[in-house]
Amino acid sequence: GEDVEQSLFLSVREGDSSVINCTYTDSSSTYLYWYKQEPGAGLQLLTYIFSNMDMKQDQRLTVLLNKKDKHLSLRIADTQTGDSAIYFCAEIGGTYKYIFGTGTRLKVLA
Amino acid sequence: NAGVMQNPRHLVRRRGQEARLRCSPMKGHSHVYWYRQLPEEGLKFMVYLQKENIIDESGMPKERFSAEFPKEGPSILRIQQVVRGDSAAYFCASSQESSTSGQETQYFGPGTRLLVL
Repeated sequence: GEDVEQSLFLSVREGDSSVINCTYTDSSSTYLYWYKQEPGAGLQLLTYIFSNMDMKQDQRLTVLLNKKDKHLSLRIADTQTGDSAIYFCAEIGGTYKYIFGTGTRLKVLA
Repeated sequence: NAGVMQNPRHLVRRRGQEARLRCSPMKGHSHVYWYRQLPEEGLKFMVYLQKENIIDESGMPKERFSAEFPKEGPSILRIQQVVRGDSAAYFCASSQESSTSGQETQYFGPGTRLLVL
């Protein structure tokens, strides 16, 4: 199947770390992406990881990939109120079609 | 370098009318992809076009929906005789080369939010 699953909601306090999880199904996926969508806005590419990597760090963002379990996570360190948004993971395998998850709504409490 | 541009950003139509959504890819990009985001859902692939060619329209409803990417001008997604279920955000993405296997990142526009009354 082509289902990419994410938990719907996550609430954290400002300054804490946020961990957003994603489970994908296509073991042939070559790239996995994290996008951020603010209310009424488009998709902002945050980061991506190639399938032969286990981890990628980019400033406050850390992506972990567990290929055996087909599990992807995005950790945001020192979460700020401006990080409140919907976060989508997406995978791409042998085609050009991005398969998106349903999105995780992150709410950061001041 | 301007990003992917879409217009209008918001479009309101009554049932039975036509909706035309426009997408100008990033400069130098000749591959365009349309996705639809229904409320509370992720984006779903609709159609992939290169200049003057539809490469894959497997995600697009067979009736009332059509897409084009002419030699000159933006890509157009056209929805005829709109119904309430067409209300969604429609996103366009572009890439310089085909993004098969993710070798070319797709860059997304801000989307057009269609509301059918």
